[in-house]
Amino acid sequence: AQSVSQHNHHVILSEAASLELGCNYSYGGTVNLFWYVQYPGQHLQLLLKYFSGDPLVKGIKGFEAEFIKSKFSFNLRKPSVQWSDTAEYFCAVITNAGKSTFGDGTTLTVKP
Amino acid sequence: DAGVIQSPRHEVTEMGQEVTLRCKPISGHNSLFWYRQTMMRGLELLIYFNNNVPIDDSGMPEDRFSAKMPNASFSTLKIQPSEPRDSAVYFCASSFAQGHGYTFGSGTRLTVV
Repeated sequence: AQSVSQHNHHVILSEAASLELGCNYSYGGTVNLFWYVQYPGQHLQLLLKYFSGDPLVKGIKGFEAEFIKSKFSFNLRKPSVQWSDTAEYFCAVITNAGKSTFGDGTTLTVKP
Repeated sequence: DAGVIQSPRHEVTEMGQEVTLRCKPISGHNSLFWYRQTMMRGLELLIYFNNNVPIDDSGMPEDRFSAKMPNASFSTLKIQPSEPRDSAVYFCASSFAQGHGYTFGSGTRLTVV
C-alpha cells in the first residue's frame, strides 16, 4: 500500500522567508507526484506536478518542488513567501492505476 | 471551461434524512473521484470511477453511503440515513486519465444536525 508523509503539520513564517515543506512517500512502483494548495474556505488547486523528466519542477506562484527518487521525497519550496501564501498544502501521489493518496496536509501561516 | 461543478454548495439536514450530493466533471475527463474532508481525518478518498465504472470503493465508510455515475457527465453521492458524524466537506474531482492530476470542485459543505 502507498502512503504519504508530510512532516510539518503547521509552519509559521514571516513574509520574505524561504519555505520548504517536506513530503515523503512509500510505494514500490511508479508514481506521479503532486502538490495541491487549499486557501481558507476554498477547494484544492494544483500547484505543480511531476510525471517524469527533470526532477525539479516549477509550478504556479513561484513554487517549485524537487523529486529525489533515492529518498522518496518531493519537497515543496519557495524562496520568498508572501502573506497570500497562507493556506494548507497537500502532497499527493497517484499511481498509474489511478490510486491516489494525499498527505495529512501542512498549514502554512505567513505573518505580514 | 466551467471546471468541476458540485451542488449544492451547502446542505444542512436533520439526522436520518437522505442526502444527495451531485457532481458534473469536466467534459472529456474519464476519471471521477469523491473525497471527504474533515478536521479530524483530513482528506479521505471515498470512491473513484473510471469510464463511469466504480474502480475502488474501499473508502466508502459504510452501507449508508452509495455513489453512482450513470453517464460521463454526472455523478451522485448519497447518504441514507445521514448522521451527525457525516458532517464534512465533500469534494468531487475529475481527471482526464488515470495517474494524472485532479481538478477539484468547490465542494459541498454538509452539516447533519
